[in-house]
Amino acid sequence: AQSVTQLGSHVSVSEGALVLLRCNYSSSVPPYLFWYVQYPNQGLQLLLKYTSAATLVKGINGFEAEFKKSETSFHLTKPSAHMSDAAEYFCAVVTTGNQFYFGTGTSLTVIP
Amino acid sequence: NAGVMQNPRHLVRRRGQEARLRCSPMKGHSHVYWYRQLPEEGLKFMVYLQKENIIDESGMPKERFSAEFPKEGPSILRIQQVVRGDSAAYFCASNMQGTNNSPLHFGNGTRLTVT
Repeated sequence: AQSVTQLGSHVSVSEGALVLLRCNYSSSVPPYLFWYVQYPNQGLQLLLKYTSAATLVKGINGFEAEFKKSETSFHLTKPSAHMSDAAEYFCAVVTTGNQFYFGTGTSLTVIP
Repeated sequence: NAGVMQNPRHLVRRRGQEARLRCSPMKGHSHVYWYRQLPEEGLKFMVYLQKENIIDESGMPKERFSAEFPKEGPSILRIQQVVRGDSAAYFCASNMQGTNNSPLHFGNGTRLTVT
């Protein structure tokens, strides 16, 4: 069965510091992977997706993620945190049956 | 607005009443998913539908919950005889048919409160 694990349900960084949100997946086949962001009282918005075209994927708002098959990881990074990045972040993997599996989420707090 | 539309945004029901949550997928999308989210918890998959067909309902409670996606009109998530434990945010998402890397597009959710 497919699954994703997000290490750290809460992450705090100072404004301007590096953001690193971790995601590991379990998959017996090459997966399709996604990162979503959720702001309070809103639905999830797509940040970026990995579809095997390139291992380093750039998304919106300065975020990027690197697919590492050897580590079964797809960690999300941003070089410099902004106050507006405070939100909940979800990693997701999709199976060949078009079924999406989401991680439990990581809440990012940005400290001024 | 060409995005996923959910209504109502907020729904208050007394215990024992019925709740109907509606979702119109994004234009061109034929797959609809329903998720439930509780505070401090992630998204819990409920059901995956195509028009007139339930693909996967493994996340749906066995009783009181049902979902449909008719040929015409929005997808409906129906909760009969609501209880306080049904209070949550319910999100609908849609994507295109036949592509495994088609991302889900989410609505803004319906927040159900059972009093």
